Amino acid sequence: AQSVAQPEDQVNVAEGNPLTVKCTYSVSGNPYLFWYVQYPNRGLQFLLKYITGDNLVKGSYGFEAEFNKSQTSFHLKKPSALVSDSALYFCAVNGYGQNFVFGPGTRLSVLP
Amino acid sequence: DARVTQTPRHKVTEMGQEVTMRCQPILGHNTVFWYRQTMMQGLELLAYFRNRAPLDDSGMPKDRFSAEMPDATLATLKIQPSEPRDSAVYFCASGPGGDRATYNEQFFGPGTRLTVL
Repeated sequence: AQSVAQPEDQVNVAEGNPLTVKCTYSVSGNPYLFWYVQYPNRGLQFLLKYITGDNLVKGSYGFEAEFNKSQTSFHLKKPSALVSDSALYFCAVNGYGQNFVFGPGTRLSVLP
Repeated sequence: DARVTQTPRHKVTEMGQEVTMRCQPILGHNTVFWYRQTMMQGLELLAYFRNRAPLDDSGMPKDRFSAEMPDATLATLKIQPSEPRDSAVYFCASGPGGDRATYNEQFFGPGTRLTVL
């Protein structure tokens, strides 16, 4: 069975500092990995995905994520955090022929 | 700007009443998902349709929940009878499907916030 872990419930970072939101996964076969963001009272919005190719994936709003096969990780990063980045972030995995599995979410707070 | 729509956005009902939530997927998408989000359980997959056929509803309590797609532009999720523990935000999502279904992202609607008293 496939699974996703987001080891941190909450991440706090000062505005202008780099941010990292961690994700590790377990899946048989090649993983297809996704990051979504959820703002208050809104649905999830797609940020980026890794399917194949370059391990560093760039997405919306200046976010990027690094796929590390040996560590089974797909951490979300941004070089300089904005207060408006404060939201709930979900990592998701999809193994071929299976459904999406979402992680529990990490709440990011960017402090001014 | 294509988007998934859901109605109603908010629903307050009393225990025992029937609740129907509706979703209009993005035109051309042939996969539809229903999720439930709560603080305690996070995001749970309830049901999954491809080309209007249910492929997986193992996450749904069968005795009271039902999901259907009467046509390609409408998906419904019904709860009968509703219970207080059903209080949650219910999301519908759609995706392009096809041969690339596995690695296509899902597009989420704004959700229906259900409160059962």
